[in-house]
Amino acid sequence: NAGVTQTPKFRVLKTGQSMTLLCAQDMNHEYMYWYRQDPGMGLRLIHYSVGEGTTAKGEVPDGYNVSRLKKQNFLLGLESAAPSQTSVYFCASSYPRYVETGELFFGEGSRLTVL
Amino acid sequence: SQKIEQNSEALNIQEGKTATLTCNYTNYSPAYLQWYRQDPGRGPVFLLLIRENEKEKRKERLKVTFDTTLKQSLFHITASQPADSATYLCALRNSGNTPLVFGKGTRLSVIA
Repeated sequence: NAGVTQTPKFRVLKTGQSMTLLCAQDMNHEYMYWYRQDPGMGLRLIHYSVGEGTTAKGEVPDGYNVSRLKKQNFLLGLESAAPSQTSVYFCASSYPRYVETGELFFGEGSRLTVL
Repeated sequence: SQKIEQNSEALNIQEGKTATLTCNYTNYSPAYLQWYRQDPGRGPVFLLLIRENEKEKRKERLKVTFDTTLKQSLFHITASQPADSATYLCALRNSGNTPLVFGKGTRLSVIA
């Protein structure tokens, strides 16, 4: 089992460009999340999904869009990248909390730089 | 407003000593609290969970306490080793179907 896989691992964008980060999990988890991590700010939730075809906003959703067309994939899109979106992005997945402990399984991160 | 505070941004201790990390929260009623370890350049990894009705949980050299009156969790690593050096994150979930919220983390350095 690969667990949670994020692609790409590194990307440099120019302001105004668009891109999509892909997260794939092979654990049959219902819930998936996108966080960003910035120095001194900790992990902040961008968007999450509680099942295929559903998405919800987190703490810092502005400037991002997501889609969950298949249970195993969760895509994070930046339509018009800004320097403030320079960050490390983490995808995570979990079972619903009433089934398991609610433990999150994280990917290895995607480092995005916007110039 | 809701806050999760890990009191120390960084903590240095000598090898063999017990490291104690603190997580305080405000305006949450967590069903449980979790601790994660994050190594540089890697994603966080789950360590322990403690529920609101549990006072203490142990796993090998790790111990977590949860005081809902003080609104605080303490994370202890006994007989610390240089390999324990990492950033430790606390996270909690309110009662109900809400996502986990993370503290900013404490960077622990164990010095040989």
